[in-house]
Amino acid sequence: AQSVAQPEDQVNVAEGNPLTVKCTYSVSGNPYLFWYVQYPNRGLQFLLKYITGDNLVKGSYGFEAEFNKSQTSFHLKKPSALVSDSALYFCAGKNNAGNMLTFGGGTRLMVKP
Amino acid sequence: EAGVAQSPRYKIIEKRQSVAFWCNPISGHATLYWYQQILGQGPKLLIQFQNNGVVDDSQLPKDRFSAERLKGVDSTLKIQPAKLEDSAVYLCASSPDNRARGYTFGSGTRLTVV
Repeated sequence: AQSVAQPEDQVNVAEGNPLTVKCTYSVSGNPYLFWYVQYPNRGLQFLLKYITGDNLVKGSYGFEAEFNKSQTSFHLKKPSALVSDSALYFCAGKNNAGNMLTFGGGTRLMVKP
Repeated sequence: EAGVAQSPRYKIIEKRQSVAFWCNPISGHATLYWYQQILGQGPKLLIQFQNNGVVDDSQLPKDRFSAERLKGVDSTLKIQPAKLEDSAVYLCASSPDNRARGYTFGSGTRLTVV
């Protein structure tokens, strides 16, 4: 069975500082990994994905994520946080044989001015 | 392209009543999913359709939940009778056949059972 873990319920960062939201995965075969963001009373919005190729993936709104196979991690990063980045972030994964996405429990990002 | 449409946005019902949610996926997306997202948790898959056939409904509480996608396009999810613990956001998502693609989610239906 596949699983995705987000070890931090909340991450606090000051505006302008770099941010990292952590994700680890357990997926058989070649993993497909995704990050989604959810704003209050909204659905999940796609940020970025890793399928194959470069370990550093660039996505929407200046976010990027680094795939690390040896550590089975896919941490979300941004060099300079904005207050408007404050939201709920979900990591998700699946293997290359199926369609079902498994989500982590989510991490609330709070960016303070 | 138009997104995934869901209705209603909000619904408040009393326990033991029934409720139905509707989803219209992105045109041409063969796969449709219903997820349940309880407050403070990640989405949990309830059921996955491929065209009008069920691929995975292992986490659907079949004694009270049902879903259909009769013509392989729109889908409805029904709860009958509702329980207090069914209070959640019900998210619909769709994806094309390409397994490398992620999902596109609708805005969800927030259900409150009182």
